[in-house]
Amino acid sequence: DVKVTQSSRYLVKRTGEKVFLECVQDMDHENMFWYRQDPGLGLRLIYFSYDVKMKEKGDIPEGYSVSREKKERFSLILESASTNQTSMYLCAIGEDTQYFGPGTRLTVL
Amino acid sequence: AQSVTQLDSQVPVFEEAPVELRCNYSSSVSVYLFWYVQYPNQGLQLLLKYLSGSTLVKGINGFEAEFNKSQTSFHLRKPSVHISDTAEYFCAVTLGGGYQKVTFGTGTKLQVIP
Repeated sequence: DVKVTQSSRYLVKRTGEKVFLECVQDMDHENMFWYRQDPGLGLRLIYFSYDVKMKEKGDIPEGYSVSREKKERFSLILESASTNQTSMYLCAIGEDTQYFGPGTRLTVL
Repeated sequence: AQSVTQLDSQVPVFEEAPVELRCNYSSSVSVYLFWYVQYPNQGLQLLLKYLSGSTLVKGINGFEAEFNKSQTSFHLRKPSVHISDTAEYFCAVTLGGGYQKVTFGTGTKLQVIP
């Protein structure tokens, strides 16, 4: 079975804090993705990576950055968290078919 | 660029009744189509997919979908729903080829009423 784990299920941060969300996979897959999910908006792609140290902007990269130093780990970074970044964050791996982690529900106060 | 539309944000249905969740896509080239399901407080999991071949695709938990190229649709159906089918369902499209982005619809919440 494919296993995609995310570092936290729930996270509460304050405005202006630097936030790290981590995603780890056990499938040795090249492609990894970060989405945010908001009611009525579905999933929107923030960033993706198709190899170590490679990254591509998705549809809504503003306010976010990513890091992929090792193949199995893909980190999403909020440099200075804001209240409009309160959301569910989902990590996924795969090519056409995507396999998702359980999600991190981030609240920024 | 491809896009996908799920017109119904919520669909209530009685237990053991049939259900259809609608999905329409837009693309000028051939696409791959997917349905994912998200149970409360969980990530998404694949329900079924169409890559090529037979237009009727069967998935897990008794769901099926039919690819209709002329109507650019990929509607999801189940002949008899169960309480445990209560979840949010997402349609998704990609051009394929490994490095292509996947575009998701806005989701349809299926509420099964006992």
